[in-house]
Amino acid sequence: DAKTTQPPSMDCAEGRAANLPCNHSTISGNEYVYWYRQIHSQGPQYIIHGLKNNETNEMASLIITEDRKSSTLILPHATLRDTAVYYCIVRVASGNTGKLIFGQGTTLQVKP
Amino acid sequence: EAQVTQNPRYLITVTGKKLTVTCSQNMNHEYMSWYRQDPGLGLRQIYYSMNVEVTDKGDVPEGYKVSRKEKRNFPLILESPSPNQTSLYFCASRYRVRNTEAFFGQGTRLTVV
Repeated sequence: DAKTTQPPSMDCAEGRAANLPCNHSTISGNEYVYWYRQIHSQGPQYIIHGLKNNETNEMASLIITEDRKSSTLILPHATLRDTAVYYCIVRVASGNTGKLIFGQGTTLQVKP
Repeated sequence: EAQVTQNPRYLITVTGKKLTVTCSQNMNHEYMSWYRQDPGLGLRQIYYSMNVEVTDKGDVPEGYKVSRKEKRNFPLILESPSPNQTSLYFCASRYRVRNTEAFFGQGTRLTVV
């Protein structure tokens, strides 16, 4: 599975969009980009995933560059409850052990 | 409500006293796994199970055992706990190994003294 690089921390004002970058320059053609978050030592929570196209769900949007070497998770209107560690993970969809490789993630602090 | 339930949430025990952390999911998921989380080391997979009676080692299996006799349950067993197993443990499940969305339990904070 490809390695990811994320900034260790970011701040965002409440109500503003939070844009969390992830670099995955060694991603392979069959590897997906996943985002999870962990709020204060709770179990990680799935947010969104994508392969090539941009994706949106009720929680967030995922923007993947055309060369797929980087992506951005967008929380459109951040709230205090979005303060968490956000993990970007890349992995193949099948033929593996199912292990999720969590790096150090980005600690997002949403401020009033 | 779809959920993964771990018990206990907190446990303090002594070295060498066998313990079991239970994990149960109500989503009929085939794939289940255990992770431990330690400061500076992130989440690491201990064991996983592709289906009933099918289990395999993850990255840090030493000192742990698991079983998968029923689809919904995947207990983590520490036969002789040691202080280096003090950690935050998470159970996770997903419908199949290929699926994207993993559901995690709320965690078990274990302290071995």
